Amino acid sequence: EPEVTQTPSHQVTQMGQEVILRCVPISNHLYFYWYRQILGQKVEFLVSFYNNEISEKSEIFDDQFSVERPDGSNFTLKIRSTKLEDSAMYFCASSDPAESSYNEQFFGPGTRLTVL
Amino acid sequence: DQQVKQNSPSLSVQEGRISILNCDYTNSMFDYFLWYKKYPAEGPTFLISISSIKDKNEDGRFTVFLNKSAKHLSLHIVPSQPGDSAVYFCASTGANSKLTFGKGITLSVRP
Repeated sequence: EPEVTQTPSHQVTQMGQEVILRCVPISNHLYFYWYRQILGQKVEFLVSFYNNEISEKSEIFDDQFSVERPDGSNFTLKIRSTKLEDSAMYFCASSDPAESSYNEQFFGPGTRLTVL
Repeated sequence: DQQVKQNSPSLSVQEGRISILNCDYTNSMFDYFLWYKKYPAEGPTFLISISSIKDKNEDGRFTVFLNKSAKHLSLHIVPSQPGDSAVYFCASTGANSKLTFGKGITLSVRP
């Protein structure tokens, strides 16, 4: 069964450093998303991406964040200068409206980002 | 932002009994409602969904009920099994749009 994959599973970085979180969405999917979950809190939407551009972003997704689809398979989230409060689980998701009218999104296993 | 609320943080049920997980929402513009299940160290896994034009959707042991007038939905699991023990998230969305999640409820099914 096709699945969303994410690398690395755990990233430890120093405050102020840049990190890139990587995702490989399901191959025929057209919509891509990043969410995050700070420990003990709800899963929060960050950004959605369709047709090579951002379709929607939350207020969390400020200028420190960027997304890219550098090739036909990868989808990346970059945090330019990490802060302590960026420590969270980051989930990538993808969907294809042709497969589901319910906007069923398929999630990867997540990357745990720890900012020291 | 409390558009989707899961007010009970946890639920414990006996194996074989029914589990009822509740969710309330405030935004009447939501078109679809989804339930996700999450195990530790894994991403959320889609479980079942319902359109806003329906009031019930059933898939095996899982049934979701939607009461639009009350802005309330519930997930019924019957019979509950120990493998159902996980965190369950209610989520809402419009078409091709972001998911808005509740805080989740931890279900424990006792053998």
